[in-house]
Amino acid sequence: GEDVEQSLFLSVREGDSSVINCTYTDSSSTYLYWYKQEPGAGLQLLTYIFSNMDMKQDQRLTVLLNKKDKHLSLRIADTQTGDSAIYFCAESMEDTGRRALTFGSGTRLQVQP
Amino acid sequence: EAGVTQFPSHSVIEKGQTVTLRCDPISGHDNLYWYRRVMGKEIKFLLHFVKESKQDESGMPNNRFLAERTGGTYSTLKVQPAELEDSGVYFCASSQDRQTSYNEQFFGPGTRLTVL
Repeated sequence: GEDVEQSLFLSVREGDSSVINCTYTDSSSTYLYWYKQEPGAGLQLLTYIFSNMDMKQDQRLTVLLNKKDKHLSLRIADTQTGDSAIYFCAESMEDTGRRALTFGSGTRLQVQP
Repeated sequence: EAGVTQFPSHSVIEKGQTVTLRCDPISGHDNLYWYRRVMGKEIKFLLHFVKESKQDESGMPNNRFLAERTGGTYSTLKVQPAELEDSGVYFCASSQDRQTSYNEQFFGPGTRLTVL
């Protein structure tokens, strides 16, 4: 079945690193994503990783994928107040032809100055 | 280029009434998706259009929900009659039609529906 889980809340100080974790259950996932939602806005795709990769880095963002444990994490280096938002983990199974995304409940990141 | 837009941004109705939500996708995007987030829980998929055809409607909760996309442009999602448990934020997303794997979905700001 499809189930994506995340912790609900994370608080960090400005300048520290943030690590947001996600676990998923469907081993046939082909892509895993991190979306960001700021207040009053839609979801914005931050980054994604293909299931045959272990790591992807994009500027301040590092995504780690542990397929054995079905664990995905997003690390934000030098966290800024503008990073305060809700972060959603999501998975898709593109090779089945199904385009629907399966999301977690979201992690609210609060960055304290 | 305009992003995905949704109307209204917020709707408050009474149980038993009808509400229609509208989504305008990014111009040229054949794929259109509806999702909803109920009471701060996970965002759940409702259905997927390719142009005017329903490609996947496995997430539609029941027959009180009717989605249309006449002409393959904008889409509407009608809830009739609305129940209390339908309250939540309804998101629309669109994406280009690509034959290969990864396909980025662009999301609208959502419509917050409150059923009293």
